[in-house]
This record gives sequence, C-alpha cells and structure tokens, in this order.
Amino acid sequence: AQTVTQSQPEMSVQEAETVTLSCTYDTSENNYYLFWYKQPPSRQMILVIRQEAYKQQNATENRFSVNFQKAAKSFSLKISDSQLGDTAMYFCAFEGGADGLTFGKGTHLIIQP
Amino acid sequence: EAGVAQSPRYKIIEKRQSVAFWCNPISGHATLYWYQQILGQGPKLLIQFQNNGVVDDSQLPKDRFSAERLKGVDSTLKIQPAKLEDSAVYLCASSSVGGAGANVLTFGAGSRLTVL
Repeated sequence: AQTVTQSQPEMSVQEAETVTLSCTYDTSENNYYLFWYKQPPSRQMILVIRQEAYKQQNATENRFSVNFQKAAKSFSLKISDSQLGDTAMYFCAFEGGADGLTFGKGTHLIIQP
Repeated sequence: EAGVAQSPRYKIIEKRQSVAFWCNPISGHATLYWYQQILGQGPKLLIQFQNNGVVDDSQLPKDRFSAERLKGVDSTLKIQPAKLEDSAVYLCASSSVGGAGANVLTFGAGSRLTVL
C-alpha cells in the first residue's frame, strides 16, 4: 500500500511571502499521479495542482508550483505571493496501482495579514 | 455545473443509533466515492462506485457501514450501529471516469457526524 507523509502539521507566513509545503510518499509503482488539494475552513476540498509521474516538467498553476523529485519520492508545493485566501488545510495525495487516492494528514497553512 | 450535493451537513446521534448520509454527484459522473475524514487526519476512502457497481470497498467496516448506489446516480451511506470513533466528516466525491488519476475528483461539502 502507498503511504503519503506530510511532516509539517502547521505553517504560518506573512501575506505576500513564499511558502513551501513538503510531501513525501512511498510506492513501488512507476506510473502514478500526485495531487495537492486545498480544504478551506468549513468549505469543500478543491484541487490545487496535479503532477503525472512520467512527466519530468514540474506542474504550475498561477501562483502554485510543485517540485517533483521522483527518485527522492518528494512532491513539495510552493505558493508564491501568498494571500489571505490561501489559509486552509493542504493535503498531498497519491494515486497509482490498485489503490485509490491516498491522502497525507495535511498541513494547516495560516497566512498572516 | 452544479456541484456534489450532500445532506445532512451536520448530524448528532447517540452511540448505537443509526444514521444515513446522502450524496448526489455531478450529473454524468460515473464514479462516486465516499471518504471518512477524522479530525486532524486526511480523508480515507471507504468505498468507490463505478456506475452502480462497487469498485473498492476494502476499507469499509462492513459490520456497521453499508453503502448503495442503486440507479448509478445518487448514493446513500449508512452506519448502524454507530460508535464513538465514527465521529468524522463524511465526504462524497465524484469523477467522470474511474481512477488512474486521469480525472479530478470533485468533492461535496461533507456531512459532519458527532457520536455521543
């Protein structure tokens, strides 16, 4: 079974700063997908960004980008020019093989004004 | 397009009572998922449907949990009898094609269950 580890339970940065959230995973699969989901307070989970393992180029979505290191099994999320609306729980997730989507425990990101 | 609808949003019950949650996925989405999210943890997959068939229910505690998707559209998740450790948010999600990360899951707002 796959495992996803997020080692930062909580992070806090000032508005407009750049922040990086860490995620590592363990798998024996060669083809898989990685995701970052955002869960704002009392609101539903939404996709932030996704990465296909066979693509070497790191995915980017506006202020959000990833650093995908396949050999190290690392998948970090960088948020540039952070905004108050970025305050949320962020979950790293893995999908591959026979298992469905496996989530990490999440990182609570707080953007301070 | 309308999102994934879930009800009720909140439910408080005594242990050993029963509860049912309802989910209506995005129109046309063949795959429906139920996740359990305990406070402080990431969501855990309980069951995955492809149309009205079960794809994966390996983590569903079948002695007390049941789920159905009779017509391949909306779904019901039932817990009977409930235990204290069932207190969690139950998330429903849907996607247009099953699995493999090729499609993004759209989540509902969740149903928060408190078992006293």
